[in-house]
Amino acid sequence: DAKTTQPPSMDCAEGRAANLPCNHSTISGNEYVYWYRQIHSQGPQYIIHGLKNNETNEMASLIITEDRKSSTLILPHATLRDTAVYYCIVRGSSGGSNYKLTFGKGTLLTVNP
Amino acid sequence: EAGVAQSPRYKIIEKRQSVAFWCNPISGHATLYWYQQILGQGPKLLIQFQNNGVVDDSQLPKDRFSAERLKGVDSTLKIQPAKLEDSAVYLCASSLDLSPPGGYTFGSGTRLTVV
Repeated sequence: DAKTTQPPSMDCAEGRAANLPCNHSTISGNEYVYWYRQIHSQGPQYIIHGLKNNETNEMASLIITEDRKSSTLILPHATLRDTAVYYCIVRGSSGGSNYKLTFGKGTLLTVNP
Repeated sequence: EAGVAQSPRYKIIEKRQSVAFWCNPISGHATLYWYQQILGQGPKLLIQFQNNGVVDDSQLPKDRFSAERLKGVDSTLKIQPAKLEDSAVYLCASSLDLSPPGGYTFGSGTRLTVV
């Protein structure tokens, strides 16, 4: 079962920042937070991941709270092509079943013109 | 680099028929995954291979589903016989190893409709 809670849907205006929240209150010390997105009719695409520190790459920023119980994915300037389902996933670093990617239902982000 | 290739893109079959899906992972990727995604849900892992060995098939309905990865490269997933509830997108993904820091690369999937 997924270890995360996400809102089912969100809207964002084109050009504005999209902030997608995720709760993972049962996360353990060696588990990472991963974000994927799935555009319609495509497979999921890796966005970013982090353990404790905030992370940034060319696609997005990941902000993880100090207690690690929640995180926020930030798309700084959303475009229409960012409309997709965004999945927040908690994943172990190695060994056992907790290193598998287990998807929940995610958040459908709709970017409006 | 070339992505994960899957075929066919779409398949429509009648219930009780058989169907097979094919996946070619990214070159050099030792780990291969098959996921099932039912409409409105997130992908669910069916089976995971490391080279040509099965690492995890705990969620594979083994009475009707089978998968193989001969020579540790391409993989096929078979359903025999198909049921209406097997209608879904079947996604293949690959990664360098079991715990890749950068995540998995997914193919575009095969959309199966069982009528």
